[in-house]
Amino acid sequence: GAVVSQHPSRVICKSGTSVKIECRSLDFQATTMFWYRQFPKQSLMLMATSNEGSKATYEQGVEKDKFLINHASLTLSTLTVTSAHPEDSSFYICSASKRGASTDTQYFGPGTRLTVL
Amino acid sequence: GENVEQHPSTLSVQEGDSAVIKCTYSDSASNYFPWYKQELGKRPQLIIDIRSNVGEKKDQRIAVTLNKTAKHFSLHITETQPEDSAVYFCAADNDYKLSFGAGTTVTVRA
Repeated sequence: GAVVSQHPSRVICKSGTSVKIECRSLDFQATTMFWYRQFPKQSLMLMATSNEGSKATYEQGVEKDKFLINHASLTLSTLTVTSAHPEDSSFYICSASKRGASTDTQYFGPGTRLTVL
Repeated sequence: GENVEQHPSTLSVQEGDSAVIKCTYSDSASNYFPWYKQELGKRPQLIIDIRSNVGEKKDQRIAVTLNKTAKHFSLHITETQPEDSAVYFCAADNDYKLSFGAGTTVTVRA
């Protein structure tokens, strides 16, 4: 199998607070984990790529100080939205590639719906 | 970087008919092309993929074709069923990063 989980599934927070989202590969070790953002009725936009034990690589236009990514192990990556504002409200989805297999196939988590009031 | 265009944006078909979604990509170095199905509020699910050394791949009612020279690839769904209704995304992989098309909303009419 290739199961990826995310927690929490939904979060509502006040403006100015920070929110942490966890992404876990449950039955495999992930070479690389990816974080995407998806606005309603739009496509998935890659925010950053992270490899275990190294710094994340952010896409152009994504503020690395605002979206902190930690990839502490081969099965866990976290995304922290710092000082969240209403415009950060979105659907955040992670994905993971299997270690040792074809590294380009990505398996997606169920997503986290973030609402910032 | 890679630019993926996807057409049409919406597609309505009668149950039992076929559905075809087309994508083009810009970077000739891209070598992996997955298709994902996403239902409302849920995760994208990989439904089929194709690599650059293959021209066509089929899995039951779903098939994908790739034309590397023209830099386009297509998804074909035959004998459509109501449960095929969803948003479908094509993607192209270059350097282990996926660039997604804008998505096609498929509605299968019973």
